Amino acid sequence: DQQVKQNSPSLSVQEGRISILNCDYTNSMFDYFLWYKKYPAEGPTFLISISSIKDKNEDGRFTVFLNKSAKHLSLHIVPSQPGDSAVYFCAARSNSGNTPLVFGKGTRLSVIA
Amino acid sequence: DTGVSQDPRHKITKRGQNVTFRCDPISEHNRLYWYRQTLGQGPEFLTYFQNEAQLEKSRLLSDRFSAERPKGSFSTLEIQRTEQGDSAMYLCASSLIAWEQFFGPGTRLTVL
Repeated sequence: DQQVKQNSPSLSVQEGRISILNCDYTNSMFDYFLWYKKYPAEGPTFLISISSIKDKNEDGRFTVFLNKSAKHLSLHIVPSQPGDSAVYFCAARSNSGNTPLVFGKGTRLSVIA
Repeated sequence: DTGVSQDPRHKITKRGQNVTFRCDPISEHNRLYWYRQTLGQGPEFLTYFQNEAQLEKSRLLSDRFSAERPKGSFSTLEIQRTEQGDSAMYLCASSLIAWEQFFGPGTRLTVL
């Protein structure tokens, strides 16, 4: 069963507009959430993260929001740029020891110029 | 370049052959992870090392898979008697802090 779900396989956004990528999780033991960006033929690259004690973290054009009661997080990119076109993975980590990251299936973002 | 490196980047093999992949982590990172990614999926955890100790293995890691990190630096992942279902991207990641994992470019395995 998927503990981390990204229900939108793809998203298209116009350059300059906001991109919103969504992620839901089921495991209430998750205490740290990350977003990774992946270009073709490259490994995932860390983008931004958020601890479960926060509800928002911002880094430049990227903001991650966490709604613990809904077990939902979202990544906002504003303004979107063509170079943001990539696959975005949501990942989560459990608070029980050195557990590995659990990834969603990814959302392919296309930013159209 | 001081990032995570993986070798080879691509491997094509025939079913039943053995293959070995190498990962060189970022030099000061004591944690090393192997993941597998298939088409349309996110990376799935295979195994984890802290220094030279293999601390966790996924149920995905069948008996045909073995991983080592002999001196706590580079790691190898070997797949014996490859099957077509083993075709995937094999990703290595390293970290100092458990959740801040830095990924290599991956090795794409194709089993014919």
